[in-house]
Amino acid sequence: AQSVTQLDSHVSVSEGTPVLLRCNYSSSYSPSLFWYVQHPNKGLQLLLKYTSAATLVKGINGFEAEFKKSETSFHLTKPSAHMSDAAEYFCVVSEGYSTLTFGKGTMLLVSP
Amino acid sequence: DTAVSQTPKYLVTQMGNDKSIKCEQNLGHDTMYWYKQDSKKFLKIMFSYNNKELIINETVPNRFSPKSPDKAHLNLHINSLELGDSAVYFCASSQTSGQGREQYFGPGTRLTVT
Repeated sequence: AQSVTQLDSHVSVSEGTPVLLRCNYSSSYSPSLFWYVQHPNKGLQLLLKYTSAATLVKGINGFEAEFKKSETSFHLTKPSAHMSDAAEYFCVVSEGYSTLTFGKGTMLLVSP
Repeated sequence: DTAVSQTPKYLVTQMGNDKSIKCEQNLGHDTMYWYKQDSKKFLKIMFSYNNKELIINETVPNRFSPKSPDKAHLNLHINSLELGDSAVYFCASSQTSGQGREQYFGPGTRLTVT
C-alpha cells in the first residue's frame, strides 16, 4: 500500500529566502513521485515528477526535488521564494496503474 | 487550447436535487478521473475510466454515477444531493501506458449544497 506524509501543514518564508517543503512516502514497490501546486481557486498544476531516473528532479518555476530512497523522502526546494509561489503544494505517490495518493498539502506563505 | 475543461465552474443547488458536472479533455489521453477535494483541501479519488471502462470505483455513495460517452469525456451525475456533497470536484486525465504517468487536472467545480 502506498501513502505519503507531508510533514508541515503550513510553511512561512520571506521573499528571496529558500523554500523547503517536506514529504515522506511509503510504498511497497518502486514508486513514482510528484509535486503538484494549487493556487487559490485554481486547479492543480504539475511541478515535477520522479520516475526512477535521476534522483534530483528539476521542475518548473525554479523548483526541484531530490528522491532519497534510504530516507523515503522527496522534499521540494527552491533557492529563492517569490510572492507568486504562495499556494498549496501536494506531494503525490503512485504505484503501478496510475493511481495517485495525495498528501494532505502544505500551504506556503510568502511575506514581502 | 484548454487541456482539461469542466463545466460548470460553480454550482449552487438545494438538497435533494440532481445535478451533473461535465468534463472534457483534448489531450488524447485514454484515462480520466474524478476527485473530490474537501474543505481541508484533501484530495481523494472517486472514479477512474480507461477507454470508457470503469477501472477504479472507490467507496463512494451510489448516488454518484460517472458516465463516459467517449474517451474524451467523463461526466459526473449526482442524485439526491446532500449537504456533505459540498466540495470542489476535479476532473483529470492521463495516458496510462507505463508507470509514472502524470495526471492533468481541470480547474475544478465548486459544488455548494444548501
